[in-house]
Amino acid sequence: DAKTTQPNSMESNEEEPVHLPCNHSTISGTDYIHWYRQLPSQGPEYVIHGLTSNVNNRMASLAIAEDRKSSTLILHRATLRDAAVYYCILGTGNQFYFGTGTSLTVIP
Amino acid sequence: EAGVAQSPRYKIIEKRQSVAFWCNPISGHATLYWYQQILGQGPKLLIQFQNNGVVDDSQLPKDRFSAERLKGVDSTLKIQPAKLEDSAVYLCASSPRPGWVVGYTFGSGTRLTVV
Repeated sequence: DAKTTQPNSMESNEEEPVHLPCNHSTISGTDYIHWYRQLPSQGPEYVIHGLTSNVNNRMASLAIAEDRKSSTLILHRATLRDAAVYYCILGTGNQFYFGTGTSLTVIP
Repeated sequence: EAGVAQSPRYKIIEKRQSVAFWCNPISGHATLYWYQQILGQGPKLLIQFQNNGVVDDSQLPKDRFSAERLKGVDSTLKIQPAKLEDSAVYLCASSPRPGWVVGYTFGSGTRLTVV
């Protein structure tokens, strides 16, 4: 499975936008880009996914580079409840292989 | 809709003892996964079921771990005998079918401590 690279940790002030980057230079043409997040003491939860075009949903936006070798998860206004580990994963939806993700700290 | 149910929530056992975890996926979800998450790491896939058949168990340590999904609904994961390095959170997830890109639904997990 194609690998992704994410920063280990990031900080954001509350109510400010957060841009979480992910590099995936070996992505294949059929790989979707998935984002999950894991709040403390909970299982991961689906955030958003995309293939080629930018995507928006009620939780976040996903910006995908034109060459698909990188993507950015955008939280438009960070809240304290967004403090979590965010995982960027590639795949066709059959199996998901998680890396270590980015631990997001939201500062009040 | 009800989420993925897992029990117990916590378990503490001594090494060499056996332990079992239970998972009830979302109703109608044909695909079920078990993941192991060691502290500080991302979840690692152990086994994938499609209905009551195993699709992939290549990451399952079969000398001590076993899993079944007899009627294609709920599933159990067993460890016998447990080792200290099995201390982890065991997560169950389900999806309607393989290739369901919209996302899995995970349970809250069972935290196992082996002492």
